[in-house]
Order: sequence, then C-alpha cells, then structure tokens
Amino acid sequence: SQELEQSPQSLIVQEGKNLTINCTSSKTLYGLYWYKQKYGEGLIFLMMLQKGGEEKSHEKITAKLDEKKQQSSLHITASQPSHAGIYLCGADGTQKLVFGQGTRLTINP
Amino acid sequence: DTGVSQDPRHKITKRGQNVTFRCDPISEHNRLYWYRQTLGQGPEFLTYFQNEAQLEKSRLLSDRFSAERPKGSFSTLEIQRTEQGDSAMYLCASGTLSNQPQHFGDGTRLSIL
Repeated sequence: SQELEQSPQSLIVQEGKNLTINCTSSKTLYGLYWYKQKYGEGLIFLMMLQKGGEEKSHEKITAKLDEKKQQSSLHITASQPSHAGIYLCGADGTQKLVFGQGTRLTINP
Repeated sequence: DTGVSQDPRHKITKRGQNVTFRCDPISEHNRLYWYRQTLGQGPEFLTYFQNEAQLEKSRLLSDRFSAERPKGSFSTLEIQRTEQGDSAMYLCASGTLSNQPQHFGDGTRLSIL
C-alpha cells in the first residue's frame, strides 16, 4: 500500500520568512493534493498536481511535483499569520485519498 | 455551492452507546467519502459511496460501524457499542471523478467518556 511521509512534522517560522514542506511517497504519484487544516476543522483544498515537473501557485503558495513523481514540495513565500495551520499532502489511492501525517506550521510575529 | 455539511460538530457519549453522524455532500457530487482522523495524524479512509452504492470499505471499518447513503444524497455513519478507541474526528468528503479534488466538511468530533 502507498505511504506518504511529510517533513518536517512541525515547523515554527518568523512572520515574513519563507518555508518549505516536503511530501515523499513510497510509490509513483498519479495525483497529489495539498490541503490545509485549522485545528478542529475540516480540510481546505489548496492545489492538485498530476504531471511530473508540474508547478502551481496560488497567492504566496507554490507546489511542485518532481519529475519522477515520488515527491512533492509546498513552498510559502513571505509567511503570514494566516498561513498557520496543518498542511496535509494526499495521494490518489484506489478510489480514495491516502494522506501523510501532516505538518504543523506556526508563524511567530 | 454550500459546501459539505456535517452534523453534529461535536458528540460526547458514554462508552457502549450508539452514535450516528450525518453528512450532506455538495449537491452535484455523486461520490461521498468517510475518513477518520486521530490527533497528530492524517485522515484515514473508512468507506466511500458512488451514488447510493457503497463500493469500498476499509479494514478499519469494524462490524460495529455501518454507513448508508439511501438515496444517493446525504449519508449517515453509525457506530454501535462505542469504545474508547473510537474517539476521533470523523470527516466526510464529496467529489466527482477519482482524479479530482475531494471537498471536505468540518467534521464531527467524537469523544467517548
């Protein structure tokens, strides 16, 4: 079965700094989704990547899927307090999503 | 688009009691998914429906768990004889095709006393 490993598990950065979260899969990724979750709430869809080498951006968040399609990264530029939360990567399993354990992001003023 | 709605948001019950959760998906979505999330972990798949048909169930879904989607619209997840280990956030998601994003509700947090 497919497994996703996220790193780091926890990240504390100063407001305004850049940061990167990684997601590594045990198998080839055919669809990779990034979600954000605030504590006690549901998941908010951020971006979907399907093609090797694909890169997508939304506001200050950029996600990439490497050429071999086994790793994805999420990069935040000039972090803001609104970026705080848990970031989850999810992979297309057989008719379902398989998730990493999440990365908890804290932004310090 | 009113989003995926789950009810209740929180449920506190005593061990051994039965509980039922409801999920109303986005109206045009024919697929509905249930996941369970424990503290510090990502969501784990429980089961999914395409219209009213339950097409896959995880090994996590023991005999005490049952899910229905009788008319292909809303779904219910029932847990019978709740145990301490059932304490978790139960998330519902809906979608269309398997290679399209799933949209999640805010979840039902279950606490077993």
